[in-house]
Amino acid sequence: DAKTTQPPSMDCAEGRAANLPCNHSTISGNEYVYWYRQIHSQGPQYIIHGLKNNETNEMASLIITEDRKSSTLILPHATLRDTAVYYCIVRVATGGKLIFGQGTELSVKP
Amino acid sequence: GAGVSQSPSNKVTEKGKDVELRCDPISGHTALYWYRQSLGQGLEFLIYFQGNSAPDKSGLPSDRFSAERTGGSVSTLTIQRTQQEDSAVYLCASSDDRLSSYNEQFFGPGTRLTVL
Repeated sequence: DAKTTQPPSMDCAEGRAANLPCNHSTISGNEYVYWYRQIHSQGPQYIIHGLKNNETNEMASLIITEDRKSSTLILPHATLRDTAVYYCIVRVATGGKLIFGQGTELSVKP
Repeated sequence: GAGVSQSPSNKVTEKGKDVELRCDPISGHTALYWYRQSLGQGLEFLIYFQGNSAPDKSGLPSDRFSAERTGGSVSTLTIQRTQQEDSAVYLCASSDDRLSSYNEQFFGPGTRLTVL
């Protein structure tokens, strides 16, 4: 079973920030938080990952709470192309399978 | 550079037939994964190859499913005596697990399998 809980769906206005929450209250000390997304009819795409510090890259920012029991993925200026299912996954960094939950279906609307 | 490729992109078969699905990972990637996604379902792990280690087969749903990875590169997923519940999109991913604390998985476009 997935070790994360996400809302099933969210809407966001184009140009606004999309904030996608994730709960992972049973995360272990050596597990990272990974985010992937899957645009319709495509394979999943890596977005970002982090351990305990906040992370930012060209796609998104990841905010992890101090107790590491939850995190938020932030798309700063959502576009229509960001419409996708977003998956939050916890996993050790040394590799291995990804356990996908149901994810959050983000709809970016004009 | 070239990403992960899979073939065929679509496969329609009759119940009871065997099928082979192919995955070409990114050159040099040490790890290769197979997942499947059934209609309306999430992504389900099937099998994982890492270098010369024994594969992690813990996600294979039955003994009708098998996979091999030849020469540490191309992989074939074989489904014997296909059933209608095997209909799904089969996704392959690869990663360079020589890197530390990263291990981003790159996914292919998938093979859509339909069992009639």
